[in-house]
Amino acid sequence: KQEVTQIPAALSVPEGENLVLNCSFTDSAIYNLQWFRQDPGKGLTSLLLIQSSQREQTSGRLNASLDKSSGRSTLYIAASQPGDSATYLCAVRDGGSNYKLTFGKGTLLTVNP
Amino acid sequence: GAGVSQTPSNKVTEKGKYVELRCDPISGHTALYWYRQSLGQGPEFLIYFQGTGAADDSGLPNDRFFAVRPEGSVSTLKIQRTERGDSAVYLCASSPRPSGGHNEQFFGPGTRLTVL
Repeated sequence: KQEVTQIPAALSVPEGENLVLNCSFTDSAIYNLQWFRQDPGKGLTSLLLIQSSQREQTSGRLNASLDKSSGRSTLYIAASQPGDSATYLCAVRDGGSNYKLTFGKGTLLTVNP
Repeated sequence: GAGVSQTPSNKVTEKGKYVELRCDPISGHTALYWYRQSLGQGPEFLIYFQGTGAADDSGLPNDRFFAVRPEGSVSTLKIQRTERGDSAVYLCASSPRPSGGHNEQFFGPGTRLTVL
């Protein structure tokens, strides 16, 4: 059974810092990996999707990398802003089911002005 | 264009009552998913529809939970004899076409269910 772990569980940084969120998964047979953002009391907003054949994806100040063989992904946020404060969730689409997303518990990020 | 919508946004009910949660997927999306997110946890898969049929309901916790999608668009998640442990945010997602490795899921805002 696929398990997804996110480290750290919570992170507090001053505005302007660059930061890295980590995600690991136990079964490397995945189709893709997705990073989501969740604001309090809200649904999920997709940030980046990396196919299993890709190494990284970039969108603005966000860069996500994927090392499928080692079961790891990182989300890099450059020049953090208070508006980046949210919970960041990592999810993998398992190769076996082909559609089911398995999520980590998330990292709660607080960017202080 | 319109995203995935879910109603109600909040539902408070008493233990033992029946509830229905509704999901309107993005127009034209054939695949629909339900997930449940308990406090402090990531979402967990409940059920997947391809068209009108439930292709995988292995995530439903027990037979008190049931979901339908009679016309291949709107879906309703039904919970009978609710228990306090059912309290969670229920998320719905849709994707454009049948399952495939490059198919992104788009999520709705969720329904927060509280069972007193």
